[in-house]
Amino acid sequence: SYELTQPPSVSVSPGQTASITCSGDKLGDKYACWYQQKPGQSPVLVIYQDSKRPSGIPERFSGSNSGNTATLTISGTQAMDEADYYCQAWDPRGYVFGTGTKVTVL
Amino acid sequence: EVQLVESGGGLVQPGGSLRLSCAASGFTFSSYSMNWVRQAPGKGLEWVSYISSSSSTIYYADSVKGRFTISRDNAKNSLYLQMNSLRDEDTAVYYCARSGDILTGYYPPFDYWGQGTLVTVSS
Repeated sequence: SYELTQPPSVSVSPGQTASITCSGDKLGDKYACWYQQKPGQSPVLVIYQDSKRPSGIPERFSGSNSGNTATLTISGTQAMDEADYYCQAWDPRGYVFGTGTKVTVL
Repeated sequence: EVQLVESGGGLVQPGGSLRLSCAASGFTFSSYSMNWVRQAPGKGLEWVSYISSSSSTIYYADSVKGRFTISRDNAKNSLYLQMNSLRDEDTAVYYCARSGDILTGYYPPFDYWGQGTLVTVSS
């Protein structure tokens, strides 16, 4: 089955840039999207079609996807960005979520 | 305002059945595909099932195929998940999530999620 692998955790200082990777076989040939989930809350879509932001998502969130890796970048990270982040793509057998990355803003 | 409200969760014994519902409002339900996604306690997200706007296309994760059945009633703006032969590993919060219809080469993201309903499978 198709797998999407993310680093378990990423730490970033306020105002700095956080990069979260998502690795999968030929992921660049698919569309990737990203979800943010804060403790006790439902996931929120932050990036879709590799690099598009839904309405209401701050410009500091951006995405890219090439080769075997999709990347979510948070520029000028704020304390409110502390959350779990999941990538997602489609496998011929269904949707697949990444393993998830906990972003800590120190 | 788009709202998705799940219900029907609870405690069930292994081998038992449960039916989850998701009530939709604030959008034209019949124009959107819907999904079920679950999250075991302290774990990541797992996609469970997809149903297209007209119910013509349905997909299941291998982990639930043959045990779970997704359905919808567009007249009632409702999505359902019939869960049979439940196992301990099915214990999770179950979310319903909206997406667009899958087209050739395009697999829409999940743009709205409900608050989730907890299913606990235990003896």
